[in-house]
Amino acid sequence: NAGVTQTPKFQVLKTGQSMTLQCAQDMNHNSMYWYRQDPGMGLRLIYYSASEGTTDKGEVPNGYNVSRLNKREFSLRLESAAPSQTSVYFCASGYYDIRPQHFGDGTRLSIL
Amino acid sequence: ELKVEQNPLFLSMQEGKNYTIYCNYSTTSDRLYWYRQDPGKSLESLFVLLSNGAVKQEGRLMASLDTKARLSTLHITAAVHDLSATYFCAVENNDMRFGAGTRLTVKP
Repeated sequence: NAGVTQTPKFQVLKTGQSMTLQCAQDMNHNSMYWYRQDPGMGLRLIYYSASEGTTDKGEVPNGYNVSRLNKREFSLRLESAAPSQTSVYFCASGYYDIRPQHFGDGTRLSIL
Repeated sequence: ELKVEQNPLFLSMQEGKNYTIYCNYSTTSDRLYWYRQDPGKSLESLFVLLSNGAVKQEGRLMASLDTKARLSTLHITAAVHDLSATYFCAVENNDMRFGAGTRLTVKP
């Protein structure tokens, strides 16, 4: 099925470990996004990419890096995980610069 | 800085009843979006409101936008159990900010 695919779906890390969350879309969208969702809060934008080769910081970028590998793929990296980064991470894509239209199923990340 | 507030945050309704969820925002915008999220699932786009006075309806849900009041409403008519979910509004300005969500539970 067409859409946004995120891997992994679940992950547990220890403080200080690093990992990369992967995201791919097959809808030929220009824009891709990474959000985090915490209990009682809406989604907060970490980084976005308006087009291949460009990335911009969102509302909460500290502690994260991103790579727009090509038009399809947008990865999120935690270099040194901290418990405050325990969250559900959503990747999204869309045609327009700042509006996500399709979301992945999320990655549930716990950092101990 | 754009702030988006939804209320109520939690809503428990009886089937067949009507209710309204409110979304207030702090700065000028004429683009507002509503999403639905089922537990453990991703977000699904419900409505796109792109101008003052815009009204969109699908099934038992109707969304409206008043840009002068900086207010959008999501009205639920004759609620059914299948509408149980969390509903988010999101407002577009220089970026896009989400409200905290309204967790709706519809009881028989």
